[in-house]
Amino acid sequence: QVQLVESGGGVVQPGTSLRLSCAASGFTFSDYTLHWVRQAPGKGLDWVATISSDGIQKFYADSVTGRFTISKDNSKNTLYLQMNSQRAEDTAVFYCAAGRGRSFPQSRYFDYWGQGTLVTVSS
Amino acid sequence: IQLTQSPSFLSASVGDRVTITCRASQGISSYLAWYQQKPGKAPKLLISAASTLQSGVPSRFSGSGSGTEFTLTISSLQPEDFATYYCQQLNSYPLTFGGGTKVEIK
Repeated sequence: QVQLVESGGGVVQPGTSLRLSCAASGFTFSDYTLHWVRQAPGKGLDWVATISSDGIQKFYADSVTGRFTISKDNSKNTLYLQMNSQRAEDTAVFYCAAGRGRSFPQSRYFDYWGQGTLVTVSS
Repeated sequence: IQLTQSPSFLSASVGDRVTITCRASQGISSYLAWYQQKPGKAPKLLISAASTLQSGVPSRFSGSGSGTEFTLTISSLQPEDFATYYCQQLNSYPLTFGGGTKVEIK
């Protein structure tokens, strides 16, 4: 079955960097659009970034543009989120999610989710 | 595109009919999804394209609407339905979610 497993979360100081990973299995990785969605403690869901199935198109929330980079390695079935210049407001559980499809609209649904990894930005 | 969910909180009993509304700040055709999230768990996709029930989702859940106004209805609330529900628009980037509706036991 489809499985997404995030890793790389932890406690970091403001202004520093962290890279999250999401290992995927149970589906053809290169056929899916992949996303990062975060949820601050006690708050709602907040879309962060999307990468197309071919890795060419990337989209970012305004709040992370210029600081975060989404990427994928099809040979390793792994999605990444490089987070630089982190701020206290980036504190959240980060989920990776997969959309079943390469094109609109199916690619923009979050069909499958990982269990999340907690990132805490604090001095 | 901003999504406004109402109510943000509702208290209901088992067997009640529950309706949650999601309003979009501009027309999004039927490009709307609904998710259910239980405490400490990842969200789960319930409904796509405003009204298409995902495989395995009980038929007591239904979605309707198009344009700017959408509803999620639970026809007879069950104990396992107590959760937080979110709408999401996929019409355009940035993808956005509604603020959530927490359904609690009365």
